[in-house]
Amino acid sequence: GEQVEQLPSILRVQEGSSASINCTYENSASNYFPWYKQEPGENPKLIIDIRSNMERKQTQGLIVLLDKKAKRFSLHITDTQPGDSAMYFCAASHSAGNKLTFGIGTRVLVRP
Amino acid sequence: DTTVKQNPRYKLARVGKPVNLICSQTMNHDTMYWYQKKPNQAPKLLLFYYDKILNREADTFEKFQSSRPNNSFCSLYIGSAGLEYSAMYLCASSRRGVNYAEQFFGPGTRLTVL
Repeated sequence: GEQVEQLPSILRVQEGSSASINCTYENSASNYFPWYKQEPGENPKLIIDIRSNMERKQTQGLIVLLDKKAKRFSLHITDTQPGDSAMYFCAASHSAGNKLTFGIGTRVLVRP
Repeated sequence: DTTVKQNPRYKLARVGKPVNLICSQTMNHDTMYWYQKKPNQAPKLLLFYYDKILNREADTFEKFQSSRPNNSFCSLYIGSAGLEYSAMYLCASSRRGVNYAEQFFGPGTRLTVL
């Protein structure tokens, strides 16, 4: 199986600053790490993901880092905006995304 | 249309009574999933269908049933609801034939068992 720990549970940041969420996993066979964002009243949506053959991926103000030795991956939101306020879930999969084990979620609150 | 729909959005059930939740998608996805989400807990995979093959997680094997009458619909069935079943139930779908395929989530059904 797999266990994913996600920290922090709540993250308050000032608009324009960066926000970082960290996740650790247990199964060294995990090879896929997606991040989902859930805005209030909305469905969870995939925002970025990284595969085990990569250490870093960046898209539209989001950076994900993967450290396979430490079994740790992280999401970094640069230049946070009010629209970044949401719940963020990390997940890990050892079956190329077909079975996801989620973290508990991080509530990000961006203060204007 | 990348919408996954769930009905009902809210469900109130009595202890000991059955509960049936419905999910649908029109993306022709071959895989459909059901997750359970309780407050301050991670979403937990209960089961998933790959085409017509049902895979249930070991620790929820006896608590939940499911059916998939066609590619678009999938149900989650609780034969006798207990208080511990109160949770948000999220349905998702993906194209399993594609590795690393995105899972598309529905809005969830909030089940309250009294």
